[in-house]
Amino acid sequence: NAGVMQNPRHLVRRRGQEARLRCSPMKGHSHVYWYRQLPEEGLKFMVYLQKENIIDESGMPKERFSAEFPKEGPSILRIQQVVRGDSAAYFCASSPYDRNEQYFGPGTRLTVT
Amino acid sequence: KNEVEQSPQNLTAQEGEFITINCSYSVGISALHWLQQHPGGGIVSLFMLSSGKKKHGRLIATINIQEKHSSLHITASHPRDSAVYICAPRFTGNQFYFGTGTSLTVIP
Repeated sequence: NAGVMQNPRHLVRRRGQEARLRCSPMKGHSHVYWYRQLPEEGLKFMVYLQKENIIDESGMPKERFSAEFPKEGPSILRIQQVVRGDSAAYFCASSPYDRNEQYFGPGTRLTVT
Repeated sequence: KNEVEQSPQNLTAQEGEFITINCSYSVGISALHWLQQHPGGGIVSLFMLSSGKKKHGRLIATINIQEKHSSLHITASHPRDSAVYICAPRFTGNQFYFGTGTSLTVIP
């Protein structure tokens, strides 16, 4: 049973470009969570999704950020018009049920130049 | 206000020592995660608990809901245990709140 997969592992974007981060949950998991970790800081919750539904997006910046988890395929975190402050590690986690233990992917390290 | 405090922030131990990392939080929670983040950045879930005690290998986690406190113990520590250990309580609502963690270095 493969773990949570994220790709790419490293992503470099210039200011103003778009970044797309992908997360494939563990097999049988239908709950996905996205977190951001800024340098020297702790993980911060961004969004919680189930298949085709956004359950909680209280941690998402109001502009430029969006997330989806379609019926088929991975969950996508999309950042439009990236700025240097978006440089961070983005982790996704999955769980089989709500309020259950979460399993983390290896993260995507986004660098905005 | 939802707050979580870990102590110590940094810890250096000799191989073989018994290690304790403490986590205190400000308000009632429904569950608490202990996570390990390796120097390369990968995150591993160690435990999720809502009461009592859990053990896995050399790791033991305890939680006292009334005292709003949890501890992570490592017995017979080893250099490969060197990592950041993160306590993440789940306050009201669905989400976990992550502290900045305890950085552990185990010296051979």
